[in-house]
Amino acid sequence: GQQLNQSPQSMFIQEGEDVSMNCTSSSIFNTWLWYKQEPGEGPVLLIALYKAGELTSNGRLTAQFGITRKDSFLNISASIPSDVGIYFCAGQLPPHSGGSNYKLTFGKGTLLTVNP
Amino acid sequence: NAGVTQTPKFQVLKTGQSMTLQCAQDMNHEYMSWYRQDPGMGLRLIHYSVGAGITDQGEVPNGYNVSRSTTEDFPLRLLSAAPSQTSVYFCASSYSRRANTEAFFGQGTRLTVV
Repeated sequence: GQQLNQSPQSMFIQEGEDVSMNCTSSSIFNTWLWYKQEPGEGPVLLIALYKAGELTSNGRLTAQFGITRKDSFLNISASIPSDVGIYFCAGQLPPHSGGSNYKLTFGKGTLLTVNP
Repeated sequence: NAGVTQTPKFQVLKTGQSMTLQCAQDMNHEYMSWYRQDPGMGLRLIHYSVGAGITDQGEVPNGYNVSRSTTEDFPLRLLSAAPSQTSVYFCASSYSRRANTEAFFGQGTRLTVV
C-alpha cells in the first residue's frame, strides 16, 4: 500500500521549545490530517488541511499542506508537558489512486517527550 | 453525544478462540472503519463500511470479518484468534457528505492472544 514517511520518529525536548515534524510521500494526497494520541487513548484530530498551500492553526499548533501535495508539516510552538504523545499524519489519496473520503493512509507517528 | 464507543477496552484470548469487538457511533456517520495499531507500524486499515449493508476489505483483512446491519454499529469478528492478532484495535467513523472528511476514533480495544 501507499506509504507516508513521517519524521522524526521521536523527539525529546525541553519545555518552551518549538517542535517541527513532517510527512512526505511519493504520491499526491487530497487531504492531510494531523492526529495526537495520548497513552491508552485513541487518536484525536488536531488539524485538517484540504488545499495545497493551506496553512492552518489551532492554538499553538500550525500545519501546512505542501504545495506539491506530497508533504505536510506540523509545528508546535512553546511546548508544554501536556504536549507529550504520539503525533500522526494521515492522508487521503485521490480517487484515481485508489483513495476515497473514508480511507486514510497513516504515518508511523512521532513520539514527543517534553521535559519540564 | 458519546462519539465512537468501543467495547471491551481490554481482552485476553487463547489461540483459536473467537470473539467480537464492538463499535458504536451516535453521530449518524455513514462511513465506519477498523484499524489495528502495532508498534512501529502505525495504523493499518482492516475493514471498512460505506453504509449499512456495505463492507469491504482494507489493507490487512485476513482473519477478520465484519458486518454492518445498522448505521450505528460496526462489529469486528475474530474467527480463530492467533498470537499475530495481538494488537490495539481502533474503530473510526466519518461523515459521508463532504468532499473531504476527517475520521473520529474510539478509545481502542487492547487485545492479547496467548
